[in-house]
Amino acid sequence: EAGVAQSPRYKIIEKRQSVAFWCNPISGHATLYWYQQILGQGPKLLIQFQNNGVVDDSQLPKDRFSAERLKGVDSTLKIQPAKLEDSAVYLCASRRGQNTEAFFGQGTRLTVV
Amino acid sequence: AQSVTQLDSHVSVSEGTPVLLRCNYSSSYSPSLFWYVQHPNKGLQLLLKYTSAATLVKGINGFEAEFKKSETSFHLTKPSAHMSDAAEYFCVVRSNDYKLSFGAGTTVTVRA
Repeated sequence: EAGVAQSPRYKIIEKRQSVAFWCNPISGHATLYWYQQILGQGPKLLIQFQNNGVVDDSQLPKDRFSAERLKGVDSTLKIQPAKLEDSAVYLCASRRGQNTEAFFGQGTRLTVV
Repeated sequence: AQSVTQLDSHVSVSEGTPVLLRCNYSSSYSPSLFWYVQHPNKGLQLLLKYTSAATLVKGINGFEAEFKKSETSFHLTKPSAHMSDAAEYFCVVRSNDYKLSFGAGTTVTVRA
């Protein structure tokens, strides 16, 4: 089965610009996560979707970050405006159901200059 | 709330020698625990998982981990390191609502 697809793989933007990341989870996976991984740290959960509903966005900086999963399949994560400290790898993961493992995409490496 | 602490930020071993990566967890309930590996420019890959069955869990590539409730530990081991084991390893705890909390990671280097 195809894995979690993310695009773009790399993105360089200037601070105060906007950027969007896209994730296509594994077919049939109801749960989708976005994680932020800053260099040298473990991934940190930004938002968790169950189908098209948000389960947890408590760690999402809502003044600049937004995410949606309108049809319960693909998801986009947007940053507007970007700050230097947003430089990180943004990971998308999906899971089929309860007690199943999460599968991760290769991530999008964002550099804000 | 749950959390994990990886006790070593960096481990260096010689090829063919044992690898030990230490992880302690904190959880208010019986946890599900995982080890993931991340090779450079690759996605996270599941090595193994503990979900309240056998306390000694075998994973891929010769890795195994033992769940010790009394010590709140879930250490990862491999009897003989290979050059391809050089990577970043993450210990992860899963909450009842299926959120994953990652440790800070342990970088493994393997010397020839």
